[in-house]
Amino acid sequence: SAVISQKPSRDICQRGTSLTIQCQVDSQVTMMFWYRQQPGQSLTLIATANQGSEATYESGFVIDKFPISRPNLTFSTLTVSNMSPEDSSIYLCSVLGQGGYEQYFGPGTRLTVT
Amino acid sequence: AQRVTQPEKLLSVFKGAPVELKCNYSYSGSPELFWYVQYSRQRLQLLLRHISRESIKGFTADLNKGETSFHLKKPFAQEEDSAMYYCALIDTGNQFYFGTGTSLTVIP
Repeated sequence: SAVISQKPSRDICQRGTSLTIQCQVDSQVTMMFWYRQQPGQSLTLIATANQGSEATYESGFVIDKFPISRPNLTFSTLTVSNMSPEDSSIYLCSVLGQGGYEQYFGPGTRLTVT
Repeated sequence: AQRVTQPEKLLSVFKGAPVELKCNYSYSGSPELFWYVQYSRQRLQLLLRHISRESIKGFTADLNKGETSFHLKKPFAQEEDSAMYYCALIDTGNQFYFGTGTSLTVIP
């Protein structure tokens, strides 16, 4: 299994500002994912971040809005840029386990944009 | 294209009643399917995987390729089963597709 931590756990931000969310894993992993989860609603994949390559973004998400860094095999950051109230959500990072089939999720970062 | 569909956003059952959370998928190859669960104030976690064919917390799920379904079932629901349930599919490129989730409430 993998233990994942995220910082911050929550934040309240003003419109137009940016927030960087950190994701730390206790083991080296190749594939990391960033999701957005509206409370009580669906999980939406933002991007897949593999170390040593550019992040792959899903339809509807762009690098300018959600830049991602993946400097090593245990760490990644997601920045939510130029925020608007519509960006209010829970942001989750996850990793693919060594078995290649199970995802382990972080506790999430609850973002509120005012 | 929507690969995983969970038609029920909300589902309520009484304690002790059977429960079935529906999941349908679309995938041309041999799919690998999962159910993930998120209990209140906890992180999302794997509940079960179709390949393992095991029962976890009394839940089972059978892959029906003819109906392209992977419904989650439990014969007697318990209050602690109240949670958000996500059906998920992984493709050959390790890309995950999650359904929109079903919020299950077990009424005491």
